[in-house]
Amino acid sequence: AQSVTQPDIHITVSEGASLELRCNYSYGATPYLFWYVQSPGQGLQLLLKYFSGDTLVQGIKGFEAEFKRSQSSFNLRKPSVHWSDAAEYFCAVDRSNDYKLSFGAGTTVTVRA
Amino acid sequence: GAVVSQHPSWVICKSGTSVKIECRSLDFQATTMFWYRQFPKQSLMLMATSNEGSKATYEQGVEKDKFLINHASLTLSTLTVTSAHPEDSSFYICSARGQVPNTIYFGEGSWLTVV
Repeated sequence: AQSVTQPDIHITVSEGASLELRCNYSYGATPYLFWYVQSPGQGLQLLLKYFSGDTLVQGIKGFEAEFKRSQSSFNLRKPSVHWSDAAEYFCAVDRSNDYKLSFGAGTTVTVRA
Repeated sequence: GAVVSQHPSWVICKSGTSVKIECRSLDFQATTMFWYRQFPKQSLMLMATSNEGSKATYEQGVEKDKFLINHASLTLSTLTVTSAHPEDSSFYICSARGQVPNTIYFGEGSWLTVV
């Protein structure tokens, strides 16, 4: 069974609108959680990560994510998207603190003018 | 900040030949590195864990004789795709465990095309 689920394969959003990308994990304990962004043909860039503490995490490029233990979720948000935010977004989990990441299937974000 | 570099960024090789991809930590020592593979429009899948000075640990379903991993120094891990075939064409990306706890650094990735 897939351990990291990103339900939305593709999201289209207007420039200036808000964006929320969903991520759920299926482990019993709280793993370490990450969001990465990948532009076409490029490597991964870390947006933010959660290990413990404050459940609302601030990241780069105006992104934030909220960890909700009761829902096993770690959704990514941005209040106002820019055309440059068009990319592939991956949620990832380090289940055992062994630095091995399990990735979700990814969500493609398209930004329309 | 810490940087992980991969080389080459792009490589095209003929079917049946072998190709080596390097993953190098530029300003820190990485005792553990990881290799992932990403097929077009798919997610990243962990292939193996590369441990400095010892044998790599492969994930289930990954052929260790086909994907040779060597981690001979604290700053370099190499992935060699042996007897490459077109189905091995993929994006290969490495990551390194940083010296600061809970840090993971990714390389830029390497595109392999086997023709």
